[in-house]
Amino acid sequence: GESVGLHLPTLSVQEGDNSIINCAYSNSASDYFIWYKQESGKGPQFIIDIRSNMDKRQGQRVTVLLNKTVKHLSLQIAATQPGDSAVYFCADRRMDSSYKLIFGSGTRLLVRP
Amino acid sequence: NAGVTQTPKFQVLKTGQSMTLQCAQDMNHNSMYWYRQDPGMGLRLIYYSASEGTTDKGEVPNGYNVSRLNKREFSLRLESAAPSQTSVYFCASREPPGQGTFQPQHFGDGTRLSIL
Repeated sequence: GESVGLHLPTLSVQEGDNSIINCAYSNSASDYFIWYKQESGKGPQFIIDIRSNMDKRQGQRVTVLLNKTVKHLSLQIAATQPGDSAVYFCADRRMDSSYKLIFGSGTRLLVRP
Repeated sequence: NAGVTQTPKFQVLKTGQSMTLQCAQDMNHNSMYWYRQDPGMGLRLIYYSASEGTTDKGEVPNGYNVSRLNKREFSLRLESAAPSQTSVYFCASREPPGQGTFQPQHFGDGTRLSIL
């Protein structure tokens, strides 16, 4: 079935470097794409969303890029900090499924001091 | 502001036992959700409640029941627990979106359930 997935299960970056977390999607009936951050022992925390008719959106130290041609979503974190270490999930909201969210399997980001 | 509160945080059950997981939100949200998270996987929707008095099945509803007790509370019940239901369970709530807008789901910190 169609799903949201991630290219890399684990990403290790040096503190201060920029991080890029990637996500591929297959469903064409999604109106929003969302990134969540999950720290160990905690629930997912909303980071940023992007509407399907946009290709870029910026937040505080984060940027989400959406390439609908190749069905690819990425989350860029600038100047990665130790507090950014977590699992990051992409999700999409399905217009053809009562607007429910479908989550990918997650990428673990490790920040080296 | 507590947000979404789940109880208990941890539980161990024997196969065949029953249990209710509790969830309460203090954000006056209409919609509430129950997900399970298994190792190396994303969250999968079990049941949701778009508004008080309504509940609907998600991706993986088998073996579960839910009750939307009032606007604040949404409980998940396992009538006869099975080892395959060992998982971390997350409750979430969300404001209803306006026309063409997106409102994120807010999650609790989960209930870690082991079934022996």
